[in-house]
Amino acid sequence: SQQGEEDPQALSIQEGENATMNCSYKTSINNLQWYRQNSGRGLVHLILIRSNEREKHSGRLRVTLDTSKKSSSLLITASRAADTASYFCATDSGNTGKLIFGQGTTLQVKP
Amino acid sequence: NAGVMQNPRHLVRRRGQEARLRCSPMKGHSHVYWYRQLPEEGLKFMVYLQKENIIDESGMPKERFSAEFPKEGPSILRIQQVVRGDSAAYFCASSPSGQLETQYFGPGTRLLVL
Repeated sequence: SQQGEEDPQALSIQEGENATMNCSYKTSINNLQWYRQNSGRGLVHLILIRSNEREKHSGRLRVTLDTSKKSSSLLITASRAADTASYFCATDSGNTGKLIFGQGTTLQVKP
Repeated sequence: NAGVMQNPRHLVRRRGQEARLRCSPMKGHSHVYWYRQLPEEGLKFMVYLQKENIIDESGMPKERFSAEFPKEGPSILRIQQVVRGDSAAYFCASSPSGQLETQYFGPGTRLLVL
């Protein structure tokens, strides 16, 4: 069954603007990870946030986690054309570490 | 430190043939996960292995699919008697200790069944 659901499914912005993507999930989690995938390529790990953390930063990326609402958001500030990609959230909620992925948000950043 | 390696990157098979996909985890990682991505969809978990052990195969189809991670050599995902519905990208990920750790993904193998 689908655990994570991203919102919106697609997002188009101008270079320099901020992009916010949201992820909701259904069951309690150990951690939540965000990945980026360029078209036809593999996944690049962006950030891992643990269930006892509320916010993490990495460069232009900011991730928040609200376990009471079972949701997370990924904010990309000052976007660049190179940020154009699909972004996936993935939750680890069991005892084996397997990840459950959402459907992804496709981000297009126009130069 | 080389990342996760997968080969081949692209594989074309005719219906009924066998497909073998290989994954070499990052150095020092003994936990391997396989995921499948259908077009325009997210990744779906298939199987989780440690050296010589299958830990969780709850995402593996009951028939035609098998996986192994021998003591020496890469992890292998094997699909027997492929059908067109097996066409997808297959990704391998590795982590140093499994649960609670970041998983690092390989570039994937894109399987096309004619």
